Amino acid sequence: DAGVIQSPRHEVTEMGQEVTLRCKPISGHDYLFWYRQTMMRGLELLIYFNNNVPIDDSGMPEDRFSAKMPNASFSTLKIQPSEPRDSAVYFCASSFQTGGTDTQYFGPGTRLTVL
Amino acid sequence: GQNIDQPTEMTATEGAIVQINCTYQTSGFNGLFWYQQHAGEAPTFLSYNVLDGLEEKGRFSSFLSRSKGYSYLLLKELQMKDSASYLCAVRLYNNNDMRFGAGTRLTVKP
Repeated sequence: DAGVIQSPRHEVTEMGQEVTLRCKPISGHDYLFWYRQTMMRGLELLIYFNNNVPIDDSGMPEDRFSAKMPNASFSTLKIQPSEPRDSAVYFCASSFQTGGTDTQYFGPGTRLTVL
Repeated sequence: GQNIDQPTEMTATEGAIVQINCTYQTSGFNGLFWYQQHAGEAPTFLSYNVLDGLEEKGRFSSFLSRSKGYSYLLLKELQMKDSASYLCAVRLYNNNDMRFGAGTRLTVKP
């Protein structure tokens, strides 16, 4: 399996621009998570989906952030408009729930820099 | 809110043993995970505990006490490649919703 795939790996944009991050989960996984990681705040859960349905978006910082999962193999995280404080590494992770040792598998991340 | 606390940084010597502690106060508990994250890379799964006691996996062991809200990760025979951040994470419910600690950055010195 190719693992969780994220694109782009690096994104540099200017304040006010729209940014779209993409994620392809591991085939067969029914949970998808979006995280943001910064030195100051560590790894923060933004939103997660189960069977393509958003379950908990309480971690989404504000209305500028939105996420969609139109099908089982694709999800996007959009920031519009972007701000310098959004600069971080954004990780997508997926998992298959059996309630046991199943864990989340992380993609390589997208390093976002907003100038 | 969910509180998961770990030391920010630790340093140890190659070949030695190091213990990284994690304490948690969360609204639910359905397992505790440890992840390793090398600089610039994604977190990768190391260990899982859901019952009290010690789980051993080669050079790595993890311990859990649910009544104390406490876990530790024990790394033996440290190698230079073990220099990384170690993240403690609590699965809140039976749905893989996990919350992470800020991570402990371990530096292994020769």
